[in-house]
Amino acid sequence: EAGVVQSPRYKIIEKKQPVAFWCNPISGHNTLYWYLQNLGQGPELLIRYENEEAVDDSQLPKDRFSAERLKGVDSTLKIQPAELGDSAVYLCASSRNGGETQYFGPGTRLLVL
Amino acid sequence: GQNIDQPTEMTATEGAIVQINCTYQTSGFNGLFWYQQHAGEAPTFLSYNVLDGLEEKGRFSSFLSRSKGYSYLLLKELQMKDSASYLCAVSLSGNTPLVFGKGTRLSVIA
Repeated sequence: EAGVVQSPRYKIIEKKQPVAFWCNPISGHNTLYWYLQNLGQGPELLIRYENEEAVDDSQLPKDRFSAERLKGVDSTLKIQPAELGDSAVYLCASSRNGGETQYFGPGTRLLVL
Repeated sequence: GQNIDQPTEMTATEGAIVQINCTYQTSGFNGLFWYQQHAGEAPTFLSYNVLDGLEEKGRFSSFLSRSKGYSYLLLKELQMKDSASYLCAVSLSGNTPLVFGKGTRLSVIA
């Protein structure tokens, strides 16, 4: 069974530029999560999808961050414009249903210069 | 707010046993997860406890006491490859995302 796939693995951009991350969850997993992980910290939830519906986006900075999960499978997370403080690892995870074990992708390491 | 505490760093010797503790104070509880995360890699699932007691899985065991808000991860016969961060995470309810601790960075030395 293939795991959660994310791309790109690394991204370096200048501040004020836009950036997008892509995630393909494990087949059959209805719930998809985007987390932010800063160095030396645990992951923090940005947004959670149940199929194509965003059911928890309270921690997503909506002035610059947006996400979508069209068709309830793949998802993209976008930042526009990026700020220096956005440098972090962006992790995608999926679970069969909400509350069940989450499986993480390798993450996208973002560096904003 | 939700509070999950674990030691920041630990060091242990190859072949030894190490116990990583996690205490939590959360508004709800539906289970506790342990994840392993090697530097630059994704967290990988290790264990899940929802009832009090010890769950054993090979060299790794996880314990939970709901009344004390306490869990530990026990690693036996340590190997160099066990050097990683270990993340404690609490599920608040059956339909909410995990709340993670900051992780414990374990260094295994020869």
